[in-house]
Amino acid sequence: DSGVTQTPKHLITATGQRVTLRCSPRSGDLSVYWYQQSLDQGLQFLIQYYNGEERAKGNILERFSAQQFPDLHSELNLSSLELGDSALYFCASSVYPSNQPQHFGDGTRLSIL
Amino acid sequence: GENVEQHPSTLSVQEGDSAVIKCTYSDSASNYFPWYKQELGKGPQLIIDIRSNVGEKKDQRIAVTLNKTAKHFSLHITETQPEDSAVYFCAASIDTQGAQKLVFGQGTRLTINP
Repeated sequence: DSGVTQTPKHLITATGQRVTLRCSPRSGDLSVYWYQQSLDQGLQFLIQYYNGEERAKGNILERFSAQQFPDLHSELNLSSLELGDSALYFCASSVYPSNQPQHFGDGTRLSIL
Repeated sequence: GENVEQHPSTLSVQEGDSAVIKCTYSDSASNYFPWYKQELGKGPQLIIDIRSNVGEKKDQRIAVTLNKTAKHFSLHITETQPEDSAVYFCAASIDTQGAQKLVFGQGTRLTINP
């Protein structure tokens, strides 16, 4: 158990809808990262937050947004969902925003019907 | 941007033998190289990492080597056991003062045959 908690574990929704994925980092970790894992694209970095502030951005779509709250939990919002958004979404956390290993949660499996 | 190539995509070895997975990266500024193990239904688990100021690191049966000149790094697992069966990912990152963006390889499915 990495200590990173992601909810929900599974999410099934329809095209055009909006969903929110939640992540609680390990106790003491201040930085949160979001990744998308799909069969064709592999594991891709989306975005990083540190103490509520955005620190790095990957290939995150404009339809996707995230934030980190004062209690350090983070949410990833996905809107106008398309079939291609079906994937595993992982959250990772680290103590500081760099020079630290990242520890991953067990992910949220998003299925778009 | 950074690109990480990982080989082989699948690897099957006999229990007790060694397994080697290789990765190459494109950005010479990359300075942090972790390896993750992912089991079915789980998130990636960090198993070992190495920084660019170190050529080799070992942790029990697992070792990682880094060749900065050639821009490649490898994972070595010795005395393999059935529980080593999983998908392994390498990654590279330019670790700056305020951010870390991991770029992952495509993964290697390792099967240990009893």
